[in-house]
Amino acid sequence: DAGVIQSPRHEVTEMGQEVTLRCKPISGHNSLFWYRQTMMRGLELLIYFNNNVPIDDSGMPEDRFSAKMPNASFSTLKIQPSEPRDSAVYFCASSFVLQAGVGPDTQYFGPGTRLTVL
Amino acid sequence: DAKTTQPPSMDCAEGRAANLPCNHSTISGNEYVYWYRQIHSQGPQYIIHGLKNNETNEMASLIITEDRKSSTLILPHATLRDTAVYYCIVRARTGKLIFGQGTTLQVKP
Repeated sequence: DAGVIQSPRHEVTEMGQEVTLRCKPISGHNSLFWYRQTMMRGLELLIYFNNNVPIDDSGMPEDRFSAKMPNASFSTLKIQPSEPRDSAVYFCASSFVLQAGVGPDTQYFGPGTRLTVL
Repeated sequence: DAKTTQPPSMDCAEGRAANLPCNHSTISGNEYVYWYRQIHSQGPQYIIHGLKNNETNEMASLIITEDRKSSTLILPHATLRDTAVYYCIVRARTGKLIFGQGTTLQVKP
């Protein structure tokens, strides 16, 4: 089985540019998560979707960040405009749950996108 | 949401069992304990999870104390490829996984 697919794997951009990160979850999964990892803050959840609906976006740092899930097989995380402090590794993860927050919820992570904003 | 406490680092000899402890004294009755690991800068990898009973799979065993306030992840025969950061997580009622700093396990030849 193909795991979670993320693209691009590496992105280098200049401050002020728009950045779009993409994620394809594991087929059949109904929950999708976007995480960010930095040395200072560790691994932190930005937003998660259940059945394509955003359930919790409290981790989204500010209005420059937006995430969409137009269908069950695709999600994007957009940063506009990007800033140097957005440099991090961004992970997407997916899982299957019968009901959000109830029962086990094993998340499977993608390989990540390493973003560098100059 | 229950928090977890793990030692920041541990060493283990190759071929020996690695026992990674985790305290989660504020865990509530319906919260699961999850273990993930992250090798270098790869995405976190699911290892095992449990609620009350001990669990075993092809990667590891999870021992949960009767009062559920602590658990131990056991890698029965550690190899150099098991060198990683190991995260013990109690899944929040909201469904989120909240990652702490984890334990850096160094397997030495």
